[in-house]
Amino acid sequence: QQQVKQSPQSLIVQKGGISIINCAYENTAFDYFPWYQQFPGKGPALLIAIRPDVSEKKEGRFTISFNKSAKQFSLHIMDSQPGDSATYFCAATSAGGTSYGKLTFGQGTILTVHP
Amino acid sequence: DSGVTQTPKHLITATGQRVTLRCSPRSGDLSVYWYQQSLDQGLQFLIQYYNGEERAKGNILERFSAQQFPDLHSELNLSSLELGDSALYFCASSVRTGDGYTFGSGTRLTVV
Repeated sequence: QQQVKQSPQSLIVQKGGISIINCAYENTAFDYFPWYQQFPGKGPALLIAIRPDVSEKKEGRFTISFNKSAKQFSLHIMDSQPGDSATYFCAATSAGGTSYGKLTFGQGTILTVHP
Repeated sequence: DSGVTQTPKHLITATGQRVTLRCSPRSGDLSVYWYQQSLDQGLQFLIQYYNGEERAKGNILERFSAQQFPDLHSELNLSSLELGDSALYFCASSVRTGDGYTFGSGTRLTVV
């Protein structure tokens, strides 16, 4: 019940295209859903996050769509650029209970944006 | 620079040895988290400390231990190292539990 399933494992997009990465969770206690971007040799960096009281959040070219009933959320990268080529991780956590903010990560998506 | 400092960046050691990884959280952050990243297991939560106290444990082996000191820096101790312990070890910090947190650049541990 603690899993977060992420797809696809890898994604190739042309410059200017839309990149879409999907995640599904099982634990209904999760109440915070961040996305992280990781470049080779670096730590994951927080990109954008959403809480379940909204269905969509947009920051620049990055948008999270959240479907609470389906227990799914997705990251959309509009106008994808070669500099967006990185590994993207979805994650989930709950502030309460015994998880104490432990993030459960998806397996990651390697995004390649071709010029 | 994320503000979370991890040392050393790289560590090569032999099986059976013991190593200590160090993490300094961002200024003002009270929570410190340790994660292990490997190709086959992804990012796995190891342990969390909040203001010096252990708060949560994940898939941390008994050979591994951690602590958070009064100045809030944290150390992860790995002993009786095995080849399978080779991985990236990340520290992250946050102001409070339940929000997204900031990761350091990691320590790459290679056990030979």
